[in-house]
Amino acid sequence: KAGVTQTPRYLIKTRGQQVTLSCSPISGHRSVSWYQQTPGQGLQFLFEYFSETQRNKGNFPGRFSGRQFSNSRSEMNVSTLELGDSALYLCASSATGELFFGEGSRLTVL
Amino acid sequence: GQSLEQPSEVTAVEGAIVQINCTYQTSGFYGLSWYQQHDGGAPTFLSYNALDGLEETGRFSSFLSRSDSYGYLLLQELQMKDSASYFCAVQTAGNKLTFGGGTRVLVKP
Repeated sequence: KAGVTQTPRYLIKTRGQQVTLSCSPISGHRSVSWYQQTPGQGLQFLFEYFSETQRNKGNFPGRFSGRQFSNSRSEMNVSTLELGDSALYLCASSATGELFFGEGSRLTVL
Repeated sequence: GQSLEQPSEVTAVEGAIVQINCTYQTSGFYGLSWYQQHDGGAPTFLSYNALDGLEETGRFSSFLSRSDSYGYLLLQELQMKDSASYFCAVQTAGNKLTFGGGTRVLVKP
């Protein structure tokens, strides 16, 4: 069974740009959640989707958004990038509560 | 909101036992999870406690006391490969996990 796949793995953007990250969950998993990991703030919850509906949202500004498609694949978008958005963005899928994380997308904002 | 506290770093030798404590404050508590993350890798699930008591999975055990808002992860017979960061996380509704700051475990020969 394939794991959670995130693309791209690494990317570099400049301030003011926008970025879209993609996540393909484990087959059969309908819940997809996103986390931001930084050395200073640790792992922070961004949002969670289940069957194309956002069920939960963390304390991030509106520049951070996401969506989920009918095949459970998910994307997150960050607009008007700031230096502080540099982080590892982790996607996790779940069927029964245990989260399975992807390897993450490492975003560097210059 | 939720908050969790766990030690930032623990050092031990191979074969030793390490206990990582986690205290939390939360509303809408479903359970306490533990995740392991090696440098450069993704977090991987270790255990989940929804009810009070001890859960044992091989060399790792996890404990929860809901009345004390406290849990711990016990690592036994430490091996070099156990050097990693360990995170406790409170689960609330909608599969939302709030993570602690992580405990870096360094295993020395």
